[in-house]
Amino acid sequence: DAMVIQNPRYQVTQFGKPVTLSCSQTLNHNVMYWYQQKSSQAPKLLFHYYDKDFNNEADTPDNFQSRRPNTSFCFLDIRSPGLGDAAMYLCATSGDTYNEQFFGPGTRLTVL
Amino acid sequence: AQSVTQLDSQVPVFEEAPVELRCNYSSSVSVYLFWYVQYPNQGLQLLLKYLSGSTLVKGINGFEAEFNKSQTSFHLRKPSVHISDTAEYFCAVTPRGGSYIPTFGRGTSLIVHP
Repeated sequence: DAMVIQNPRYQVTQFGKPVTLSCSQTLNHNVMYWYQQKSSQAPKLLFHYYDKDFNNEADTPDNFQSRRPNTSFCFLDIRSPGLGDAAMYLCATSGDTYNEQFFGPGTRLTVL
Repeated sequence: AQSVTQLDSQVPVFEEAPVELRCNYSSSVSVYLFWYVQYPNQGLQLLLKYLSGSTLVKGINGFEAEFNKSQTSFHLRKPSVHISDTAEYFCAVTPRGGSYIPTFGRGTSLIVHP
């Protein structure tokens, strides 16, 4: 089945220790998104790619970076995680003009 | 710009009772409308969408929603809920023919009691 896969599902890191979250898709969609979701809140968009064009949300901290080496893969790098970065990170894709989004299962990040 | 208002942060209901989750939106352009469901520790899953045509749309798991253009609403309904419907529900809009960025509501937590 075509899908969006995120690895790992759970990630524990130490304060200030860099971490990378990965996302892959078999849907061949042009657009990929990274969201941060904290408890009982809506997903908050961090950035998105249209093909290789990178679009950063204005309020995304510099601590967050992203890479999309090819259509299928996208990575989220957190350079120096703080306690406030503990959250669920969701990857999503979109491939049509209606912008229906297909979400991965998420990676829950814990910062100690 | 668009905005989405989900009027209820939490909706408790007994099993087999009907439920309505409310969503209102504001936009200067025409939009597509979506409802997503999120179960604990999972990603969001599309329940249903309104693109055009009939204003009553049916989705998965027995849910339906009605688009009301004059009231700018897209309320979600189910005639008889199950325990397994306990989840977070998000209403979202995207503008037609332009941005790839959806605007989400803050979510409504549906809690189904036995």
